[in-house]
Amino acid sequence: GAVVSQHPSRVICKSGTSVKIECRSLDFQATTMFWYRQFPKQSLMLMATSNEGSKATYEQGVEKDKFLINHASLTLSTLTVTSAHPEDSSFYICSARDSLAGGALETQYFGPGTRLLVL
Amino acid sequence: GQNIDQPTEMTATEGAIVQINCTYQTSGFNGLFWYQQHAGEAPTFLSYNVLDGLEEKGRFSSFLSRSKGYSYLLLKELQMKDSASYLCAVMDSNYQLIWGAGTKLIIKP
Repeated sequence: GAVVSQHPSRVICKSGTSVKIECRSLDFQATTMFWYRQFPKQSLMLMATSNEGSKATYEQGVEKDKFLINHASLTLSTLTVTSAHPEDSSFYICSARDSLAGGALETQYFGPGTRLLVL
Repeated sequence: GQNIDQPTEMTATEGAIVQINCTYQTSGFNGLFWYQQHAGEAPTFLSYNVLDGLEEKGRFSSFLSRSKGYSYLLLKELQMKDSASYLCAVMDSNYQLIWGAGTKLIIKP
């Protein structure tokens, strides 16, 4: 099956610093990638949809200046959490849609997630 | 608004059968997905239903009734490793996934 990687898998940082998380589709092209956040014992919350070569679409309530998304190529999207604070501590998961899958049968492939802890 | 409902938690016995229900109200419908998520890990794909009926895949089966806005995931011959959260998600008319809150399944020996 299709593989999506995320780096780093775990990061601890000080409050006020910025953290970059990479999401890569390893064996397929992904014109669209999704960034989710999941707090303990809660479901996935879509933060933004990342489109290759264009601006990301953010969900209501997600600050685009705080969560910078760059989808520079068909296999790479990055999420930068700027000026991170303890309340940003969460599990960040990306997923990628296979561009060639097409139609209603498109399946999202999930990365393994990045656990962010802001002290 | 869009809404996905599934039970918060269920408990079952090893070797038994469990059915996890999901009801949905969404703007359009392009299929329903079930994912398994172990604690601290990303979700993994289990099944996809777009037509009414039952899809069987080994010990797992998924059923869909579009007229009722209803699906269930059936797990047979439960194993301890099946202890996880099971997420129901519906793809709406914009091909976006709308997620349920997940059902935590606890398997007891």
